[in-house]
Amino acid sequence: QQQVKQSPQSLIVQKGGISIINCAYENTAFDYFPWYQQFPGKGPALLIAIRPDVSEKKEGRFTISFNKSAKQFSLHIMDSQPGDSATYFCAARGGTGFQKLVFGTGTRLLVSP
Amino acid sequence: DSGVTQTPKHLITATGQRVTLRCSPRSGDLSVYWYQQSLDQGLQFLIQYYNGEERAKGNILERFSAQQFPDLHSELNLSSLELGDSALYFCASSPSTASSGRFFGPGTRLTVL
Repeated sequence: QQQVKQSPQSLIVQKGGISIINCAYENTAFDYFPWYQQFPGKGPALLIAIRPDVSEKKEGRFTISFNKSAKQFSLHIMDSQPGDSATYFCAARGGTGFQKLVFGTGTRLLVSP
Repeated sequence: DSGVTQTPKHLITATGQRVTLRCSPRSGDLSVYWYQQSLDQGLQFLIQYYNGEERAKGNILERFSAQQFPDLHSELNLSSLELGDSALYFCASSPSTASSGRFFGPGTRLTVL
């Protein structure tokens, strides 16, 4: 129940296209859903996050769509650029006490020029 | 730059050895988290410290231990190293235990030969 399932494992998108990465969870106690972006040789960096009381959050070209009833959330990257090529991790946090952040397994995105 | 520093950047050692990884959190952050990232397992939470005290344990082996010092820097000690311990080890920090965000350091790449 503490898992976050992420798909696809890898993704190739043409420049200017839309990249979509999906995550699903089981634990209804999760109350915070961030996405992290990781470039090779670097640590993950917070990209965008959403709470379950909203269905969508947009920051620039990055949008999180959240479906509470389906327990799914996704990251959409509009007008994908080669500089977006990185590994993306979804995560979920929640429950009482220690706020453990559970990560998905990551999606390696390659945006071709 | 997240403000979290980790040393060393790379570490190559032999099986059976012991190593110490060091982390300095962002200024003002009291919580430090350690994660292990390997190719087949994604980001695995190891342990969390808050203001010098252990707060939570994840998938940390008994051969591993950590501590947080009065100046809030943290060290992760890995002993009796095995080939399978080769991975990236990340430290992250946050202002408190209830904080949503995690600010990750650049990581230490450990190679056990």
